[in-house]
Amino acid sequence: KAGVTQTPRYLIKTRGQQVTLSCSPISGHRSVSWYQQTPGQGLQFLFEYFSETQRNKGNFPGRFSGRQFSNSRSEMNVSTLELGDSALYLCASSLAGTGIYGYTFGSGTRLTVV
Amino acid sequence: GENVEQHPSTLSVQEGDSAVIKCTYSDSASNYFPWYKQELGKRPQLIIDIRSNVGEKKDQRIAVTLNKTAKHFSLHITETQPEDSAVYFCAASLLNQAGTALIFGKGTTLSVSS
Repeated sequence: KAGVTQTPRYLIKTRGQQVTLSCSPISGHRSVSWYQQTPGQGLQFLFEYFSETQRNKGNFPGRFSGRQFSNSRSEMNVSTLELGDSALYLCASSLAGTGIYGYTFGSGTRLTVV
Repeated sequence: GENVEQHPSTLSVQEGDSAVIKCTYSDSASNYFPWYKQELGKRPQLIIDIRSNVGEKKDQRIAVTLNKTAKHFSLHITETQPEDSAVYFCAASLLNQAGTALIFGKGTTLSVSS
């Protein structure tokens, strides 16, 4: 069974640019969540999608957005990049219907903003 | 919204000793509490979880306890080994009408020296 796949693995962007990250969940998983990981701040919740709908959103500015497609694949977009957006972006998939199940994380996309 | 505090941020133990990591959460409606282990350069992986209708759960050398009244839960690792060295994250479920998400603590870096 394939795991959670994130692409690309590494990305270098310039301040002011925008970036799109992709996440393909485990087959059958309909929930995809996105997290930003930085040293000392742990895993900060960005948003969660289920059946193409954003169900929850963390405390990030509107420059961070996402979407989910009918095949459950998800993308997140960051516009007008800032140096502070440099981080490891992790997505996690889950069966999560009405309850909570364990998340399976992808390997992440390492974004560097210069 | 949910807030999860995790302590200590770093923990150093000798091989064979026990290690305890503690977390507190703010939302009394939270009902799912997983723990993740993240080795250097790798993705977080679920190691154990507990639901609010259970006070304790064990899996070989690891155990988790939950005190719903005090809103705190702890990870216990006995007979630590060098391969237990990693960053450990606790999490609590965020529940609202839209659905569920996991909110993570900032992590504990465990170092086990032989």
